[in-house]
Amino acid sequence: RKEVEQDPGPFNVPEGATVAFNCTYSNSASQSFFWYRQDCRKEPKLLMSVYSSGNEDGRFTAQLNRASQYISLLIRDSKLSDSATYLCVVPPGGGFKTIFGAGTRLFVKA
Amino acid sequence: NAGVMQNPRHLVRRRGQEARLRCSPMKGHSHVYWYRQLPEEGLKFMVYLQKENIIDESGMPKERFSAEFPKEGPSILRIQQVVRGDSAAYFCASSAGAPEGYTFGSGTRLTVV
Repeated sequence: RKEVEQDPGPFNVPEGATVAFNCTYSNSASQSFFWYRQDCRKEPKLLMSVYSSGNEDGRFTAQLNRASQYISLLIRDSKLSDSATYLCVVPPGGGFKTIFGAGTRLFVKA
Repeated sequence: NAGVMQNPRHLVRRRGQEARLRCSPMKGHSHVYWYRQLPEEGLKFMVYLQKENIIDESGMPKERFSAEFPKEGPSILRIQQVVRGDSAAYFCASSAGAPEGYTFGSGTRLTVV
């Protein structure tokens, strides 16, 4: 099993749609998780942190399922500006190497 | 707070030359990470450093690549005798330590000609 695995993309959705991405991780010792957003040729930027069961910020909801070792990101009412690559990030739990998922590409079209 | 500063933004080197990439972490951050991103690919971990110490360099190629984070000054990623395959975007991130998140610099885009 890969250390961090994300849904393969790209996701092509119309404006206003709801879209969800999943990310599975193998290190059961990891305690905190993050979703980052990366626009083309730019640096990743923190979107949401997930420390316990979940987190909600406006149209974005992140959920954590420790038993099944996955986190999810739900985007409601998609906007054109949501088009980006979404990276799942799993900091080390006992180790040092933070693992970034390969990313899921989202394209929101008018 | 200036954030994570990387320079140069763009660097062009001929094959066989040396490339030096610099990263100044955010104020108060003592953890620095370097990542490489090839076109159309994800971020690949290279090395994790704290002041004067390399904590994890498991992602660094065994030859030609080295990194340091001295007591004073920025972290440096050094690539000796560059080859075309080294062309990529190199991102630096810093953090204050778990469970905090990571702040990225704008990256250095290295082109080897």
